[in-house]
Amino acid sequence: GAGVSQSPRYKVAKRGQDVALRCDPISGHVSLFWYQQALGQGPEFLTYFQNEAQLDKSGLPSDRFFAERPEGSVSTLKIQRTQQEDSAVYLCASSLGTSGSSNEQFFGPGTRLTVL
Amino acid sequence: DAKTTQPPSMDCAEGRAANLPCNHSTISGNEYVYWYRQIHSQGPQYIIHGLKNNETNEMASLIITEDRKSSTLILPHATLRDTAVYYCIVRVDSAGFQKLVFGTGTRLLVSP
Repeated sequence: GAGVSQSPRYKVAKRGQDVALRCDPISGHVSLFWYQQALGQGPEFLTYFQNEAQLDKSGLPSDRFFAERPEGSVSTLKIQRTQQEDSAVYLCASSLGTSGSSNEQFFGPGTRLTVL
Repeated sequence: DAKTTQPPSMDCAEGRAANLPCNHSTISGNEYVYWYRQIHSQGPQYIIHGLKNNETNEMASLIITEDRKSSTLILPHATLRDTAVYYCIVRVDSAGFQKLVFGTGTRLLVSP
């Protein structure tokens, strides 16, 4: 594919529902990141995968948030028992390697989650 | 994490150079300065990055002061499509990967 894709682009959930957000990174990219962006704010780091290994989940706001990347490609961010404060744009990014000076992160268009 | 300070908004006339400043006075010697921009309803887009030398690519130029405490992103001939939020980021190396710590950025409005 040409870039990082995310689905769905928009999701409306009733409070208490579970949601699953999908990210398809650029093929061959080792690193995958999830960010949360509240209205009017910059993106905030949630979690990081290197292939299938979740190496950092320090940004996940609560244990209702869970991310996986079982085969080292597609990743899913799951939010259980959604709350209104979970309303935000969820961004996925991927990069080719893990380190180095030119390790640019490529972002998807995001999923806008609205919890009613 | 090294913090950055940017003006919340700037205006620029179409065709003129847009100069976006950023302060990063607590930057460490091995930390890079990255610039991303975010056009409405899209994900952030990489623009340029640098360590201590000035850098130029097809999108922009990055001027970093000698003491590395501040930098300026230059869009040489701004167009209406350059209207976006511009983020100056000091890349944090954490556990073997680069974590991007975004601030609130500068909202650049390019007008005809």
